[in-house]
This record gives sequence, structure tokens and C-alpha cells, in this order.
Amino acid sequence: KQEVTQIPAALSVPEGENLVLNCSFTDSAIYNLQWFRQDPGKGLTSLLLIQSSQREQTSGRLNASLDKSSGRSTLYIAASQPGDSATYLCADLTTDSWGKLQFGAGTQVVVTP
Amino acid sequence: DAMVIQNPRYQVTQFGKPVTLSCSQTLNHNVMYWYQQKSSQAPKLLFHYYDKDFNNEADTPDNFQSRRPNTSFCFLDIRSPGLGDAAMYLCATSRDGRLGKNIQYFGAGTRLSVL
Repeated sequence: KQEVTQIPAALSVPEGENLVLNCSFTDSAIYNLQWFRQDPGKGLTSLLLIQSSQREQTSGRLNASLDKSSGRSTLYIAASQPGDSATYLCADLTTDSWGKLQFGAGTQVVVTP
Repeated sequence: DAMVIQNPRYQVTQFGKPVTLSCSQTLNHNVMYWYQQKSSQAPKLLFHYYDKDFNNEADTPDNFQSRRPNTSFCFLDIRSPGLGDAAMYLCATSRDGRLGKNIQYFGAGTRLSVL
């Protein structure tokens, strides 16, 4: 059974610092891995999706990498801003599932001015 | 414009009183999902519909049911809510869950409180 882990559970950084968020998974047979943002009391917003054949995806200040062999994905957020404060979740789609995303519990990020 | 709409945003119900949560989509997607997310936990899939085909997760309690009367709408019914059912309920859609490339689009969620 796929297990997805995000460590640390919480992170606080000063504004301007680069953020590095980690996601690890136990089953490397995945279709893709997705990063989401969740604001308090809100739903999920998809940030980036990396296909299993890709090594990374970029969108603006966000860059996500994928290393299936080591079971890891990393989300980088450059030059963090207070508006980046949120919980970031990763989720993967394993090849033996049927559209079922397996989520990590998330990393809660606070960017202090 | 919101593409996956959940109503209501906040729902308060009494212990044991049936409640229905609503999800609608303007994307014309084949697949609709319901997730339960408890505080500081990962979202957990309850069930999904591929068109009219209902797929229940093995560990979803019988207390949870779902209906999809048409492509656009999907409902989550909780027959007898318990205190442990208080959570955020997230609805999501994807064009076709069988294809690994498809992104799941999430609604804003309904936060359910049980008194």
C-alpha cells in the first residue's frame, strides 16, 4: 500500500528565504505526483503536476522535482512571501489505483514579514 | 469562475440527523470524487463515480452514501452523523480517472460540524 509522508509538519521562514518542502512515497510505480496548496478552512488548489516520465515542473516561483528511484519529490518556492503561507500537500497516483490520489498530511508553512 | 462548486460552505448538524452535501461542476468531467479531511490530516477518499458507476472505498463506513443524478451534480449523504464525522468534505473532478495525466480539480469544501 502506498504511503506518502511529508516532513516537517510545520515550517516557519522569514520573507525572502527560499522554501524547500519534502514529500516521500514508498511505491515508485506512480503515474504522476501533484502538489497542492490549502489555505485555512479552504479547499485544495493544484500547483504543479509532474508526470512519472518527467524530472521537474516549473511555474513562476515554484519548481517541483521528482525522483522515483528514491521515492522523493521536492517543492521549491523561491523568494517566499507572506502570501505563500498555507499548507502544502503532495499526492501521487499509483498505477494500481483508479484515479485515487494518495495524499501526505501536508506541511504547514508560515512566512513571516 | 469556480468550476467545482460545493454547497454549503459550512454545515452544522445534530448528532444522528441526516445531512446532505452538494457538489456541482461546470467542467463536464466524467469522474467525481468525495474526500474526507479531518483536522491536520491527509484527505481520504470515500468514493468516486465514473459517469454513473459508483465505486466505494473498502473502508468507507456504511453511514456514507452518494448520489449522482447527472453529470454535473453529486451528493454526499450522511445518514446518521456522529461526532467523528465532523470534518472538511472535499469534492473533486477529473476528465477521466483512468488516464494518469488528468488533474483533479477540487471545490472549496464543506466544513461539517456535528453537535
